[in-house]
Amino acid sequence: GAVVSQHPSWVICKSGTSVKIECRSLDFQATTMFWYRQFPKQSLMLMATSNEGSKATYEQGVEKDKFLINHASLTLSTLTVTSAHPEDSSFYICSAPSSRLNYGYTFGSGTRLTVV
Amino acid sequence: DAKTTQPTSMDCAEGRAANLPCNHSTISGNEYVYWYRQIHSQGPQYIIHGLKNNETNEMASLIITEDRKSSTLILPHATLRDTAVYYCIVRVGRGQFYFGTGTSLTVIP
Repeated sequence: GAVVSQHPSWVICKSGTSVKIECRSLDFQATTMFWYRQFPKQSLMLMATSNEGSKATYEQGVEKDKFLINHASLTLSTLTVTSAHPEDSSFYICSAPSSRLNYGYTFGSGTRLTVV
Repeated sequence: DAKTTQPTSMDCAEGRAANLPCNHSTISGNEYVYWYRQIHSQGPQYIIHGLKNNETNEMASLIITEDRKSSTLILPHATLRDTAVYYCIVRVGRGQFYFGTGTSLTVIP
């Protein structure tokens, strides 16, 4: 139980275009989800907290107008990278807290974004 | 912000126990200790968590010192598939997870 599915696994897009990444909780409801970004050989950096039915909360230094988060249902959160640039190329990972883990996180498999 | 300190890297012989330390000297009484690992280009995988008592599951054992200022993750019989980056995280309640730099464990044949 407590499975998080992330789609797509990888995506290549052209500079200036937008890319949407989906994160779904498959067998549980998640009123909160979390989005992370990871650059090569670095640790995971928390970008934002996605809240079902309300605005996301962004970490300091993360541009909310560039990284649009929508959490319209209890099982789906989306991250849209708008007007992508090569420096946005990274590994994006979502997660959701699970009661089974004392609200520790279950993570998706990640999305490798390459902007060319 | 990460509240833990871990060695950057460790090696372990295949079949031997891997003992991964974590220092969390500023931990509060209601903060849990969580361990995750990340294999290259995958999302982090949950391993184990605990509050005060030692814990064991099918993957590993977690030993927390009595003063709770440090803990050790034990993989009893390391295999090549255990090669990964291991993260120790402390968190209060349902607050966010902030990752530190973790320990890169290499299991050697």
